[in-house]
Amino acid sequence: KAGVTQTPRYLIKTRGQQVTLSCSPISGHRSVSWYQQTPGQGLQFLFEYFSETQRNKGNFPGRFSGRQFSNSRSEMNVSTLELGDSALYLCASSKGQGGNNEQFFGPGTRLTVL
Amino acid sequence: KQEVTQIPAALSVPEGENLVLNCSFTDSAIYNLQWFRQDPGKGLTSLLLIQSSQREQTSGRLNASLDKSSGRSTLYIAASQPGDSATYLCAVRKTGKLIFGQGTTLQVKP
Repeated sequence: KAGVTQTPRYLIKTRGQQVTLSCSPISGHRSVSWYQQTPGQGLQFLFEYFSETQRNKGNFPGRFSGRQFSNSRSEMNVSTLELGDSALYLCASSKGQGGNNEQFFGPGTRLTVL
Repeated sequence: KQEVTQIPAALSVPEGENLVLNCSFTDSAIYNLQWFRQDPGKGLTSLLLIQSSQREQTSGRLNASLDKSSGRSTLYIAASQPGDSATYLCAVRKTGKLIFGQGTTLQVKP
């Protein structure tokens, strides 16, 4: 069974640009969550999608947005990039939305903002 | 506000040692606790998931325990190997999100 896949794996952008990251969950998984990992802040929750609806949102500015498609694939968009957005962006999938579901992570997308 | 703390931040041991990694959390109202492993520059690999109603889980040389009342979890690694070198993260599930500790970076020397 294929794991969580994320594309692209590496991305270099300049300040002010926007970027879209993609995540394909494990087959049969309907919940997708996004996390940002930086050396200073560690892993922080961005948002969770289930059945094409955002169910939970972390404490990030509105420049960070996402969506989920009917096949459970998800995209995350960051507009007006800032230097501080440089991070490893991780996507996780689980079968359901419930709190007892195990989350499985993808390899991440490394975003560098110059 | 839920806070997760991992002690120690770094650990270096000789191969073959048994070791314990610690994780503490401030709010006992959690759904579950998950231990992950992260190799440099890579994603997270799920090691063990302990539901809030469980006390421990085992997988191979790994054993994780959970004491909700005291807000603590431990990850026990038996007979450590150089391949176990990585950062170990614990995370508690609260509503729809995982809240992570800062991790313990483990180095196992041959």
